[in-house]
Amino acid sequence: EAGVTQFPSHSVIEKGQTVTLRCDPISGHDNLYWYRRVMGKEIKFLLHFVKESKQDESGMPNNRFLAERTGGTYSTLKVQPAELEDSGVYFCASSQRGRPYEQYFGPGTRLTVT
Amino acid sequence: QKEVEQNSGPLSVPEGAIASLNCTYSDRVSQSFFWYRQYSGKSPELIMSIYSNGDKEDGRFTAQLNKASQYVSLLIRDSQPSDSATYLCAVNLLNQAGTALIFGKGTTLSVSS
Repeated sequence: EAGVTQFPSHSVIEKGQTVTLRCDPISGHDNLYWYRRVMGKEIKFLLHFVKESKQDESGMPNNRFLAERTGGTYSTLKVQPAELEDSGVYFCASSQRGRPYEQYFGPGTRLTVT
Repeated sequence: QKEVEQNSGPLSVPEGAIASLNCTYSDRVSQSFFWYRQYSGKSPELIMSIYSNGDKEDGRFTAQLNKASQYVSLLIRDSQPSDSATYLCAVNLLNQAGTALIFGKGTTLSVSS
């Protein structure tokens, strides 16, 4: 069974530019989560999809971040315009409908904003 | 008070020893507890979940949960150099809506051969 995949693995952009991160969850997993780890800090929750619906977006830092999950499959996280403090590793995780807490993580996208 | 706290380490143990990793959490009514292992530059890997007080064993790993004292620990028996990684404690806090996990910063374990 393929795991959670994320693209790109690394992105370097300038302040003010736009970046879109992609996550493909494990096939059949209804729950999809985005998390972020800023250097020196713990992994923090951003938002949660159940299929194509946003279940919880309480962790989204501001309206420069937009997440979508069209068709309930893959998800994208767009940052526009990027700021220096957005740098970090963005993780995607997925879980089965009946076992939401057992979340399987992707390798992450390392975003560097210069 | 931080919601999930771990000693950042590094925790150094010799090969074959028992490694003990600890985690405390702030929300007394938390229900779900997890240990993730993360190798440098890799994704966090779920290795243990525990939901009720007591011990849960899986191979060389044992998770221990004490809700009254609000701590959860992970014991690694017969530690191997391949166990060298950062171990993340994660909990689901009932005072937070949804099923998001709250993570500690992680404890770095180094097993020397």
